Amino acid sequence: AQKITQTQPGMFVQEKEAVTLDCTYDTSDPSYGLFWYKQPSSGEMIFLIYQGSYDQQNATEGRYSLNFQKARKSANLVISASQLGDSAMYFCAMREGQTGANNLFFGTGTRLTVIP
Amino acid sequence: DTAVSQTPKYLVTQMGNDKSIKCEQNLGHDTMYWYKQDSKKFLKIMFSYNNKELIINETVPNRFSPKSPDKAHLNLHINSLELGDSAVYFCASSTRPPPNQPQHFGDGTRLSIL
Repeated sequence: AQKITQTQPGMFVQEKEAVTLDCTYDTSDPSYGLFWYKQPSSGEMIFLIYQGSYDQQNATEGRYSLNFQKARKSANLVISASQLGDSAMYFCAMREGQTGANNLFFGTGTRLTVIP
Repeated sequence: DTAVSQTPKYLVTQMGNDKSIKCEQNLGHDTMYWYKQDSKKFLKIMFSYNNKELIINETVPNRFSPKSPDKAHLNLHINSLELGDSAVYFCASSTRPPPNQPQHFGDGTRLSIL
């Protein structure tokens, strides 16, 4: 089974509007971390935001926030006030366990296009 | 002051050749990784090293051999390159623990096999 599922291959959003990128995960480990990365057309991987499985509050970083619904095993990324520079691939990823192997499992990504 | 740097950025070579990709991090991290991103943009772990010790070796052909001379470097050597090896290879690093620390990625090496 896929550990990370991103069901939206592509999304469009009007500039200055908010957009939600979906991510669901699958793990039996009670301790895990969820990450979002941005990959612009130039190819680099940019860390955006992190949510821990034991965190009580949803994570926020500037215009990025994470809508964490633990019972539903979802960790959706919300980008507010979209900008043209937000056009990129967005990847949801998960790391399992406190003492696990520490690698990230990635979803298949969502390509976000911001329309002027 | 680049955090994770990998070279070369582009690598174009013929099938059957042997090539290496170098990776260095100056973040003081003790864990380094190699990921492969295929043509559909899917990223998958290949190897993970912690303090020069191999801790993950996913189902990767043994033509791929990571080498970690010290904890700041993790190089990837590929023997007898095949067409299917064409991909973008990312090096990354992190601390271990705590688990909330993100992995920092290099800019990737685009490998094209002719």
